[in-house]
Amino acid sequence: EDKVVQSPLSLVVHEGDTVTLNCSYEVTNFRSLLWYKQEKKAPTFLFMLTSSGIEKKSGRLSSILDKKELFSILNITATQTGDSAIYLCAGPTDSWGKLQFGAGTQVVVTP
Amino acid sequence: KAGVTQTPRYLIKTRGQQVTLSCSPISGHRSVSWYQQTPGQGLQFLFEYFSETQRNKGNFPGRFSGRQFSNSRSEMNVSTLELGDSALYLCASSLDRDHGELFFGEGSRLTVL
Repeated sequence: EDKVVQSPLSLVVHEGDTVTLNCSYEVTNFRSLLWYKQEKKAPTFLFMLTSSGIEKKSGRLSSILDKKELFSILNITATQTGDSAIYLCAGPTDSWGKLQFGAGTQVVVTP
Repeated sequence: KAGVTQTPRYLIKTRGQQVTLSCSPISGHRSVSWYQQTPGQGLQFLFEYFSETQRNKGNFPGRFSGRQFSNSRSEMNVSTLELGDSALYLCASSLDRDHGELFFGEGSRLTVL
């Protein structure tokens, strides 16, 4: 059975801190791993990772995939209150449009 | 470029009724997927459509159905509503059936009383 596990489930940090979010996955026929940010409404696409060891960056966010260990991390540096959200990790299973989501990590950034 | 548009945004129904939710994908996107999000179960896959064909279906009862039209717009229907169907229903589109980046709409929040 396909499985995506995220940790921690929640954390509270101060503005300026660095945050590391973890995602482990077991999906048959690995295609990619995706990260999303969800505030109050739609999950917003952050990254899609397909190759092991290649870091993807977008501003203060970065992510990397380890296909051998079936693991990905999402880093947020110099956190801001606007980074407060649920961060979701997901992997396509039988097809690209069928994503198996993790439970998410709720990040709260306090001023 | 407009994003994924879902209607209605909010609706309230009573048990036993049925509901139809609509999704217009990003212009040019041909693949549409639907998800149900609840506090207890998180995001769960419902359906995936491409070129008016259902490619995949999640583990939901037959009361949940969907379709896609020739213009890639999609609808999902839930019949004989139950209290447990209260959820945020999210639609996502992608460029084609073999393209991994899914872009989500803001969802339709269904409350069943």
